[in-house]
Amino acid sequence: GENVEQHPSTLSVQEGDSAVIKCTYSDSASNYFPWYKQELGKRPQLIIDIRSNVGEKKDQRIAVTLNKTAKHFSLHITETQPEDSAVYFCAASMGGNQFYFGTGTSLTVIP
Amino acid sequence: NAGVTQTPKFQVLKTGQSMTLQCAQDMNHEYMSWYRQDPGMGLRLIHYSVGAGITDQGEVPNGYNVSRSTTEDFPLRLLSAAPSQTSVYFCASGLGYGYTFGSGTRLTVV
Repeated sequence: GENVEQHPSTLSVQEGDSAVIKCTYSDSASNYFPWYKQELGKRPQLIIDIRSNVGEKKDQRIAVTLNKTAKHFSLHITETQPEDSAVYFCAASMGGNQFYFGTGTSLTVIP
Repeated sequence: NAGVTQTPKFQVLKTGQSMTLQCAQDMNHEYMSWYRQDPGMGLRLIHYSVGAGITDQGEVPNGYNVSRSTTEDFPLRLLSAAPSQTSVYFCASGLGYGYTFGSGTRLTVV
């Protein structure tokens, strides 16, 4: 099956700086890559996603890039704010509902 | 539109007991899944369903059963609870992309 690796496991940044989280996947058949944000004690919530026919997608301060050749994708958060503090999960899927998640990155934004 | 509803929110079981975690969605989603979340291990797929009457195993299915008699409901049954099943369980539903998660069930097996 698919194997998704996520780095780093923890990340601390100063407010206003950028944060980058990276994931790699193993199965070249994967074609959908969502990112979820999970605040403490809450459910994971989809924040952005990208499909394999697109190299980059932006939504305000959040962007995701995908390199299909290298089988890696990254989440970029610019101008970080304290409310960005959470655990972020990447995932890979071939469509349908078999999603394989990374082990998460705990992001702390220091005011 | 309630989204994905999970019950109960918290549960303590004794080893060997059985129970059912309930999951219901009102978005007419074909796909539903159950995940467990353990510290440092992310979300792992237990079972999934692509429609009423169709279920399949995920990464960690042992000790769990599911059924899907309606589009709306996808219960997860623990047959004989073990301490290794202590975890947070999330149900999710979607149309193939962009899953919506329920609020989770925190299960402790003692």
